[in-house]
Amino acid sequence: KNQVEQSPQSLIILEGKNCTLQCNYTVSPFSNLRWYKQDTGRGPVSLTIMTFSENTKSNGRYTATLDADTKQSSLHITASQLSDSASYICVVSAASGTYKYIFGTGTRLKVLA
Amino acid sequence: EPEVTQTPSHQVTQMGQEVILRCVPISNHLYFYWYRQILGQKVEFLVSFYNNEISEKSEIFDDQFSVERPDGSNFTLKIRSTKLEDSAMYFCASSDHSQETQYFGPGTRLLVL
Repeated sequence: KNQVEQSPQSLIILEGKNCTLQCNYTVSPFSNLRWYKQDTGRGPVSLTIMTFSENTKSNGRYTATLDADTKQSSLHITASQLSDSASYICVVSAASGTYKYIFGTGTRLKVLA
Repeated sequence: EPEVTQTPSHQVTQMGQEVILRCVPISNHLYFYWYRQILGQKVEFLVSFYNNEISEKSEIFDDQFSVERPDGSNFTLKIRSTKLEDSAMYFCASSDHSQETQYFGPGTRLLVL
């Protein structure tokens, strides 16, 4: 069964600190993996997208990694800011003619001053 | 910057009533999607639409749901006879020909009483 699991469920850090969020998946056949940021009550906003051949991709203070062998991804946030407080969602696409999107449950990050 | 818009932002309806949720995707996009997110749960894929027809749908998207692109700009989701469990945030998204990034709208919060 195609599944996407994320950890931790929630995380509290102090402003300026770094953090790493984890995503494990069992989606097959794998097409790509996305990380989204979702503010409360808003739609998700794309941060990164990675295909099978990509190991690392950065977007400002966000760096995503992908290990297609172990089916794991991480999202590292550097020098966190108060505005980073949000849910971070890992979404894996299965290649099945058209794209099928499997969402993780997200990690709720709270950055404190 | 172009964005996906959705109306209404909130909708309250009685069980058994029909509702139509409206979306205006980004103008040069070709692929359109509907997702829902029940409060406190993960985002779930409902349907994707391309070239005026459904390209993929999930098991959630049963006969009570339908989608339409009635003109060149709007993309609608109709729920024929709402149930209590249809209460959720409904997100519309669109992407260009590459389908690399989906741009989400702000969502419509539907409450079925």
